[in-house]
Amino acid sequence: SQTIHQWPATLVQPVGSPLSLECTVEGTSNPNLYWYRQAAGRGLQLLFYSVGIGQISSEVPQNLSASRPQDRQFILSSKKLLLSDSGFYLCAWHPGQGSTGELFFGEGSRLTVL
Amino acid sequence: AQSVAQPEDQVNVAEGNPLTVKCTYSVSGNPYLFWYVQYPNRGLQFLLKYITGDNLVKGSYGFEAEFNKSQTSFHLKKPSALVSDSALYFCAVSGASGGSYIPTFGRGTSLIVHP
Repeated sequence: SQTIHQWPATLVQPVGSPLSLECTVEGTSNPNLYWYRQAAGRGLQLLFYSVGIGQISSEVPQNLSASRPQDRQFILSSKKLLLSDSGFYLCAWHPGQGSTGELFFGEGSRLTVL
Repeated sequence: AQSVAQPEDQVNVAEGNPLTVKCTYSVSGNPYLFWYVQYPNRGLQFLLKYITGDNLVKGSYGFEAEFNKSQTSFHLKKPSALVSDSALYFCAVSGASGGSYIPTFGRGTSLIVHP
């Protein structure tokens, strides 16, 4: 069966420090991968998605970047965090082209920037 | 462009009563519709989906949803609410799947079930 792992679960970082959140998927190949941010426990904002290794699409211009160095690994990064980067970050995967199914979400990473 | 509206920020219901969480959508072509639930500090969990076929879809934890094409709605329902159903519920829609599969999520509805 497929599983998705996301870490760290919680992170407290000072303003101006770097960030790296990691997401890995097991049990599938060539998935679509997504990074969402959820602020104040409400709506989801799509940050990045990827349909393959090295293929990253950014939905919102911001202080963050994403990379997909391996088929089932998706990394969210920042060189210098801002206060506004605080939030709950969710990674998700989808089987990809031809599938009409649901997204599968990780357990999330809570980032607090002080 | 596709969109989803969840008109209620919060729904309050007494335990044992039926519940409805509303969702309307807009999409080109046939819609693929989904409901997810999120408990505090957790990821979203899939509840149910409509792709094609019977308009009444049954899902996890006793939830069901009715697809209404004429009203472009996909309301989530449960005959008898439990306190443990209290959570944040998201409706999502997508059009035909392609290489870039990006569903659109509603803003979420907070369901509070009172004992």
